[in-house]
Amino acid sequence: EAQVTQNPRYLITVTGKKLTVTCSQNMNHEYMSWYRQDPGLGLRQIYYSMNVEVTDKGDVPEGYKVSRKEKRNFPLILESPSPNQTSLYFCASSPTQVADTQYFGPGTRLTVL
Amino acid sequence: GENVEQHPSTLSVQEGDSAVIKCTYSDSASNYFPWYKQELGKGPQLIIDIRSNVGEKKDQRIAVTLNKTAKHFSLHITETQPEDSAVYFCAASGNTGRRALTFGSGTRLQVQP
Repeated sequence: EAQVTQNPRYLITVTGKKLTVTCSQNMNHEYMSWYRQDPGLGLRQIYYSMNVEVTDKGDVPEGYKVSRKEKRNFPLILESPSPNQTSLYFCASSPTQVADTQYFGPGTRLTVL
Repeated sequence: GENVEQHPSTLSVQEGDSAVIKCTYSDSASNYFPWYKQELGKGPQLIIDIRSNVGEKKDQRIAVTLNKTAKHFSLHITETQPEDSAVYFCAASGNTGRRALTFGSGTRLQVQP
């Protein structure tokens, strides 16, 4: 089944404890992206990648890192999480290098205490 | 950068009635306008999209209209059913810069049986 998977789906952590949220797609998509969703703000892009080894900042990149060493994987890294990063996170992928149809993962709900 | 405004934030209709959600965008260079549906506990799923060279597009009970001059686009759902209840997001993107989707803040649609 063609899909975007994320792990973990739920995570509760404490301030300053490094964490990684994994994202993987099995559709051979070029473009991948991370969004955070907060009430009343819609989805805001954190980072995106147009291809392997090519990543760039989105609208709200502060406090996050990403890497794209393989085409299928695009992990989101929080080196020192803070409570304001408590949010619902979505990974998405797209078949081309333009912002075309995006396929979203199921989401990761992160709580930073 | 692009700014997308979406109205209303909540919408309640009776089963069988029509629902209309409206969005405006700021960047005249935007040329791709998708609509996503998000059900509880799931990631957003594309339901329909339109490109700037088209004024209207239909898919069964849903339709999207685009007015490039006024920079607004709308989602129309006819003969609403309880399973249409969800949060709907509009988005816009262009083919320059980082070509990312900029999302509206979402509309919670409730279809009353």
